Amino acid sequence: GNSVTQMEGPVTLSEEAFLTINCTYTATGYPSLFWYVQYPGEGLQLLLKATKADDKGSNKGFEATYRKETTSFHLEKGSVQVSDSAVYFCALSDRAGNTPLVFGKGTRLSVIA
Amino acid sequence: GAGVSQSPSNKVTEKGKDVELRCDPISGHTALYWYRQRLGQGLEFLIYFQGNSAPDKSGLPSDRFSAERTGESVSTLTIQRTQQEDSAVYLCASSLKRGSTGELFFGEGSRLTVL
Repeated sequence: GNSVTQMEGPVTLSEEAFLTINCTYTATGYPSLFWYVQYPGEGLQLLLKATKADDKGSNKGFEATYRKETTSFHLEKGSVQVSDSAVYFCALSDRAGNTPLVFGKGTRLSVIA
Repeated sequence: GAGVSQSPSNKVTEKGKDVELRCDPISGHTALYWYRQRLGQGLEFLIYFQGNSAPDKSGLPSDRFSAERTGESVSTLTIQRTQQEDSAVYLCASSLKRGSTGELFFGEGSRLTVL
């Protein structure tokens, strides 16, 4: 079945550091890929998405590229801020939307000033 | 309301009691999902409603779990005879429709603690 594996946290970085959170997936066919973020005290919200191979999703300085050859969708940001402290979830769904969104376990990021 | 609303935000109950968790989706969203998040785990799909279609119950862990939704409005997740392993955050999400590009909007969750 479909599954998502993301790097375990917590990840602690200093402000302005470079961020990478790894995500790899197993899926039949060609899924759509997502990153969701959960800020403290808030519900999960969509950060970015990519629906086909080689697409790059981007938002708020974060980027992730859909790599079919490595079945990966790593999240990156060039310079993190304290306000980026949150839990990040990688997720996938099948292209036809016939299965519910499958999530990774989440990676907690703490950015210190 | 503006977002997905869940209640209660926190619930502490004794083992063996029944609990009801409520989700009020965004108005106009036809799809509604329930997920469970145990400590240190990812989001576990429980059940999905889409309009008047039969719900997808494939994620419900046992027959102690059930959910209802009337039309495209409020949904209630019921857990009967709660067990300690039911302790988790129960998340509700809604979307305009099911589909791979559809964005899910999540509530803040209901934290259930079974003593």
